[in-house]
Order: sequence, then C-alpha cells, then structure tokens
Amino acid sequence: DTGVSQNPRHKITKRGQNVTFRCDPISEHNRLYWYRQTLGQGPEFLTYFQNEAQLEKSRLLSDRFSAERPKGSFSTLEIQRTEQGDSAMYLCASSMTGVQPQHFGDGTRLSIL
Amino acid sequence: DAKTTQPPSMDCAEGRAANLPCNHSTISGNEYVYWYRQIHSQGPQYIIHGLKNNETNEMASLIITEDRKSSTLILPHATLRDTAVYYCIVRDVYGGSQGNLIFGKGTKLSVKP
Repeated sequence: DTGVSQNPRHKITKRGQNVTFRCDPISEHNRLYWYRQTLGQGPEFLTYFQNEAQLEKSRLLSDRFSAERPKGSFSTLEIQRTEQGDSAMYLCASSMTGVQPQHFGDGTRLSIL
Repeated sequence: DAKTTQPPSMDCAEGRAANLPCNHSTISGNEYVYWYRQIHSQGPQYIIHGLKNNETNEMASLIITEDRKSSTLILPHATLRDTAVYYCIVRDVYGGSQGNLIFGKGTKLSVKP
C-alpha cells in the first residue's frame, strides 16, 4: 500500500496562470475526492469521483476549476486564470466505498504571486 | 457547517491518556462518527470511526454515548508525535452527499514532556 500520492508538493505561480495538480489514489479505491484547505481552517470539500464519473461538486468549485479522472485511476485538478484567493493546500483522498474511511495524500500547496 | 463541537485546544502530559471530547447532539441514525488528525504540513490521517458501539484499534479507542450525542477519542498513552489537530466528523454514508467530509476547526492537542 503506497498511499495516496500527490504531485507536485508545492507550486508557485503568477496570478492569471493555469495550474494542474495530479493525484494517484490507493490502487483499487474507486472513490476519489478533492478538498481545499486554507490556513487555520479544516479542509473543505470540492468534488468527488466514483470510478471515472464525477458525482458531486461543491459550490466552491467555480468555473475556473475542472477535475477529471479519465480512466478511473489517477485524477487531475486544473485551475485556470489563477487568482490570489486560490492560494491554499489542495488535498486528494481516496476510499473503497462510502463507509470505508477516506485516506488523504499530503497535498499540493499552491502559492499565487 | 460542521455538525460537531470540539474544544479548540487541549494539553496532555506525555505518557498519559488523552481524552478528546466531541459533541454531535443533532446526529441522525445513519450518521457515523469519524476521527481524523492532521499534523502540520501533512494531509489528514484517519484514526477511527463508529456508528453505535465503542471501537478500538491500534491507534485509539472511540467511546460513543448511548444516545449518540457525544463521543470521546482516547489516545491511551500520548506521545509527543500525537501533537496534532484532531477532527471529529459525522457523516451520513448512505445519504445524498456521500462524498462530503465536513471538517470543523478541530481540537489542537499539545502533548508536553
């Protein structure tokens, strides 16, 4: 069990640029989740997939955000035209079923200059 | 909003038991209680979960009151490495929002030598 892997661990970019993060879930976990965490707050849910289907999206997921999981394995989260307020830790988690606990990666920290 | 209430901070002496309380007075019959912790700069780590009965694993014990309106996470012999923010979360795994872990601000546990 290699755990949930997220890349890159850190991303620094200028305002207005596009960024893409990758998440590799625990193998055989068919559910994959994205969260965002700002300083001093708990993680906030963004979206989740069951296999390749995106089943739920939070109102936090603006039109500039898009997530994919094309083959039901790894997932990508893209942010277009980044803004200062996008600076946060982006966390990915996976689980086998809805009851089984979600296991988190160590996140990608995004800093917008 | 989070459906749980936790004290913002607690201290514990190294080697002693740490008892972290959580109030979830509006919990419904299908909602499980999950506990996670987050050490600085890492993703949340799953600890334990339960529905009605008390649960124990290699990390901790979870005591849920008979009316299910509150619970206590017990770390039997706290070490310095247990210093973290602990989150108590209630989640309806069969409800419409199956992806959503709603984190509050948690309890910052400081284990002191």
